[in-house]
Amino acid sequence: GNSVTQMEGPVTLSEEAFLTINCTYTATGYPSLFWYVQYPGEGLQLLLKATKADDKGSNKGFEATYRKETTSFHLEKGSVQVSDSAVYFCALSVSGTYKYIFGTGTRLKVLA
Amino acid sequence: NAGVMQNPRHLVRRRGQEARLRCSPMKGHSHVYWYRQLPEEGLKFMVYLQKENIIDESGMPKERFSAEFPKEGPSILRIQQVVRGDSAAYFCASSPERAGGPISYEQYFGPGTRLTVT
Repeated sequence: GNSVTQMEGPVTLSEEAFLTINCTYTATGYPSLFWYVQYPGEGLQLLLKATKADDKGSNKGFEATYRKETTSFHLEKGSVQVSDSAVYFCALSVSGTYKYIFGTGTRLKVLA
Repeated sequence: NAGVMQNPRHLVRRRGQEARLRCSPMKGHSHVYWYRQLPEEGLKFMVYLQKENIIDESGMPKERFSAEFPKEGPSILRIQQVVRGDSAAYFCASSPERAGGPISYEQYFGPGTRLTVT
C-alpha cells in the first residue's frame, strides 16, 4: 500500500543551523509529493511540492527534491530561524486519487 | 480570495453529546475532504464529498460519524454520542476541479477544529 515515513522528532537546532528532515515513501504509480507546515495552534500550510521525478520544490528557503531512485523527498534548509519552529508533514498523493497520505510529522524547535 | 474556513476552532463536548463541525471551502472549490489528526499522529483521510454527494467515505468510522455537503451552505461533519477517543483535530480541505480532467492534486487546508470530549 501507499505510505510515508518521516524521521521522528523532536529535532532541536540552534538558529542558523542546517536542517534536514528525512521523508521516504512507498507508492503505486507516480505520486505527487508535498511538505506541509503546521505552526502552533494553526492548520496546515502547503510549504512546497513536486509532481514528478527530479523536480525540486522550494519556498521560504526550504527545498526538497523528488528522488524516484531512493523514493525520498527530504526537506532541507540552509539556515533555520526561530520562526521555523513548527511541525512538518510529508505527504503524497497518488496519480488519479484524492487521498493524501501523511507522515506522522516531525516537530522542529529552533533555539535562539 | 478567502481560504478554507472552519468553525468552531475549538469545541468541547461531554461524552454522549453531539458535535457538529463546519467547513466552508475556498470560493470556486467544489470538492471537500475531511481528515482527522489524533494527538502525535499525522492526518488520516475520512471522507470526500462533492456538492450533495458523498464520493468516498472509506475512512469514516462505521457508526456515529456522518458528513454532508449540501447544495447551499458549508460541509458538516457530525459526530453523535461522542466518546473520549473522538478528541482530535479535524481538518477540512478543498480543491477545485480541473476543466476537462481529474481534480487538482493540491488540497487547501483549513485551520482545523480541535474537539475535546470530557
